[in-house]
Amino acid sequence: DGGITQSPKYLFRKEGQNVTLSCEQNLNHDAMYWYRQDPGQGLRLIYYSQIVNDFQKGDIAEGYSVSREKKESFPLTVTSAQKNPTAFYLCASSVQGAYEQYFGPGTRLTVT
Amino acid sequence: EDQVTQSPEALRLQEGESSSLNCSYTVSGLRGLFWYRQDPGKGPEFLFTLYSAGEEKEKERLKATLTKKESFLHITAPKPEDSATYLCAVQPNNAGNMLTFGGGTRLMVKP
Repeated sequence: DGGITQSPKYLFRKEGQNVTLSCEQNLNHDAMYWYRQDPGQGLRLIYYSQIVNDFQKGDIAEGYSVSREKKESFPLTVTSAQKNPTAFYLCASSVQGAYEQYFGPGTRLTVT
Repeated sequence: EDQVTQSPEALRLQEGESSSLNCSYTVSGLRGLFWYRQDPGKGPEFLFTLYSAGEEKEKERLKATLTKKESFLHITAPKPEDSATYLCAVQPNNAGNMLTFGGGTRLMVKP
């Protein structure tokens, strides 16, 4: 089955710790994205990558970092510098151009 | 600045009561407009892409339409399983692959 997997589904961390969220896709898509969703709000773009070994900041990149060493994988690290990390994180992928993005199931991160 | 506004924020319908959700947008040039369905605690599921004014797409009880300023998602004779949050997103001409999302409309259909 082709698709996007995110793990884990739920993640709990203490304040001050870095945490890495996994995103893998087997759709052979070049582009991958990370979004953050807060209750009652739309999706906000954190980082995106259009090709391996290249990525760009989105609207809310502060306190986050990413890597794109393989086409299939785009992990997101939430660092201790992110002031409000508790949120629902969504990974997506797409082919290049004016095409739809396909989303993974999401990871709910809770930091206390 | 590109903007997407969805209304209403929440909509309660009785089963079989048809209605429409609105997505108003402001972009310098529209490359595509996308509709998604999102169930609680899950990732958005792609529904439709619209590219030009006058275009329409249909899927079961859903029909999406597009004008130069807004898009409508019409729901005909909804069922309780249509209850979800519906998200609209635009892709501007100058934004590469990036999407700008609206806040969503939470639809609740009562039996």
